[in-house]
Amino acid sequence: SSELTQDPAVSVALGQTVRITCQGDSLRSYYASWYQQKPGQAPVLVIYGKNNRPSGIPDRFSGSSSGNTASLTITGAQAEDEADYYCNSRDSSGNHGVFGGGTKLTVL
Amino acid sequence: EVQLVESGGGLVQPGGSLRLSCAASGFTFSSYEMNWVRQAPGKGLEWVSYISSSGSTIYYADSVKGRFTISRDNAKNSLYLQMNSLRAEDTAVYYCASSADYYGSVLFDYWGQGTLVTVSS
Repeated sequence: SSELTQDPAVSVALGQTVRITCQGDSLRSYYASWYQQKPGQAPVLVIYGKNNRPSGIPDRFSGSSSGNTASLTITGAQAEDEADYYCNSRDSSGNHGVFGGGTKLTVL
Repeated sequence: EVQLVESGGGLVQPGGSLRLSCAASGFTFSSYEMNWVRQAPGKGLEWVSYISSSGSTIYYADSVKGRFTISRDNAKNSLYLQMNSLRAEDTAVYYCASSADYYGSVLFDYWGQGTLVTVSS
């Protein structure tokens, strides 16, 4: 079982704001990173650290954290944001990464 | 442009072996930490193994420890995963991914397109 817990599915109306959460004890010590994966494609890093976006990631994606919960927020969701989203952080040993179970985002 | 291209996947019988390769280009491979991450059909991502930039530090997920071996050849800009004693539950798309440390946290910044490994009789 994953040390990081995500809701399996979330939906959002087009243009609205959605928050995807990730819970785990390791998040009290380490930042989460977030990945977007569309069907048949490799994951893409969208958020890392406190709230950092790699080059090319739209600014509607943002990250935050509080206690044992990290969040990915999409402000003004677009149809192309429909995808699976995974969080990742170091595991309890601190030696390597562990992924959350993933959240399927549907844009209505 | 950063490119990671996996190869070596295919159909193998339970108990068999397979060697995956990942060819890197567009960045200084020898400076990057590398990983294998897999995804079973219809399932989530699972980290499999890590190797430091020099190859001196290696980690494995418990699910593959003792059966899989990660290695790299910095002169050839290549990452490898030797998989032995394969099981049906190893069936997955295997991605190679570079990782970096950010204030003690980990992030996977570049990913290949993956190679499918199917373990079946």
